[in-house]
Amino acid sequence: DVKVTQSSRYLVKRTGEKVFLECVQDMDHENMFWYRQDPGLGLRLIYFSYDVKMKEKGDIPEGYSVSREKKERFSLILESASTNQTSMYLCASSRQGMNYGYTFGSGTRLTVV
Amino acid sequence: GQSLEQPSEVTAVEGAIVQINCTYQTSGFYGLSWYQQHDGGAPTFLSYNALDGLEETGRFSSFLSRSDSYGYLLLQELQMKDSASYFCAVRYNAGNNRKLIWGLGTSLAVNP
Repeated sequence: DVKVTQSSRYLVKRTGEKVFLECVQDMDHENMFWYRQDPGLGLRLIYFSYDVKMKEKGDIPEGYSVSREKKERFSLILESASTNQTSMYLCASSRQGMNYGYTFGSGTRLTVV
Repeated sequence: GQSLEQPSEVTAVEGAIVQINCTYQTSGFYGLSWYQQHDGGAPTFLSYNALDGLEETGRFSSFLSRSDSYGYLLLQELQMKDSASYFCAVRYNAGNNRKLIWGLGTSLAVNP
């Protein structure tokens, strides 16, 4: 079964900590994405990448950075975690092309205290 | 700006048919996708429509009318396991990028 794997299902971190969320896909997909999902706000794009070492800002990049050193891995970094970054974080990947759907990971529920 | 609208909640009974609508306002429209998400789970891709008309995949069908900026997801022979949130998402051209905008989701409750 092809899949997107996120390193942690639940994570609790303290305010000010540097947080790493890891995502690995085994489908040789070119595109990878990081979203956060909050009640009433839907899915919001943080960063995306169309190729190795390439990254582009999404709609809400502030307070986040990303790294894509290998095609299969896309990491989201919270430089200094804050309570308003408490959320469900979803990683997704897709092939290049308009009619390919996204494959999502199971998500990481991050709580910042 | 870009926007999507879909109903927040829909309720139906087992065995029935339900239609979830999605209207959009975007420039540079490419296509409309549908995703299903169960509580606590990941969104899963259901369908993609780039051309007008109905696409059928088993019990689920998706329809697009580009002239009306409107699409819908049709679920037939509803089962309890279809209780989930359903998201429409529009792919559009934004300068040098092709982006995706998501609806806020429709929570479908299937009752016995």
